[in-house]
Amino acid sequence: GAVVSQHPSRVICKSGTSVKIECRSLDFQATTMFWYRQFPKQSLMLMATSNEGSKATYEQGVEKDKFLINHASLTLSTLTVTSAHPEDSSFYICSAQTGFNYGYTFGSGTRLTVV
Amino acid sequence: RKEVEQDPGPFNVPEGATVAFNCTYSNSASQSFFWYRQDCRKEPKLLMSVYSSGNEDGRFTAQLNRASQYISLLIRDSKLSDSATYLCVVTGSGGSNYKLTFGKGTLLTVNP
Repeated sequence: GAVVSQHPSRVICKSGTSVKIECRSLDFQATTMFWYRQFPKQSLMLMATSNEGSKATYEQGVEKDKFLINHASLTLSTLTVTSAHPEDSSFYICSAQTGFNYGYTFGSGTRLTVV
Repeated sequence: RKEVEQDPGPFNVPEGATVAFNCTYSNSASQSFFWYRQDCRKEPKLLMSVYSSGNEDGRFTAQLNRASQYISLLIRDSKLSDSATYLCVVTGSGGSNYKLTFGKGTLLTVNP
């Protein structure tokens, strides 16, 4: 089946630094990748939609200059959290549409802790 | 009104019990409906799609009522391995029909 590989799975960084999260589609081409964030005991919230070769579309309230998304190829999308702060600590997950009838595959997620 | 609302839970049931989860959605033009399960600190995994005609997959039965904008999931003969958070998921309409909107989830614990 379709696999989305997400790295790193866990990262702890100091406040003010930047963190890059990668999502790769391993056996299919992901024209569109979705980035979600999940705070404890909350639902997954869509942050942005990235399309290969074009600018990402951000959801309302998500700062595009803080969460930089790059989707330079059909198999790789990256999310960079710039100047991270403790309130950015969360579970970040990517997802790609993999088939007809809106089949989606999720990456395994990245747990970011900013100290 | 939230886009997708679920039973708040948590549900604690003994093995072998039957448990039902409910979900309502606000966008009447929503296109597709799913139940996902999410284990603690893991990514969501598709459990099943939900169709108007209702669908069953082993011990799991999903129902959709478009008129009431209501979705349900029934788990029969629950197993310890069913313990997880169950997420009701709806896609949008029109140009945003590919976007998944998640409910907060309902935590199920199946006890021995």
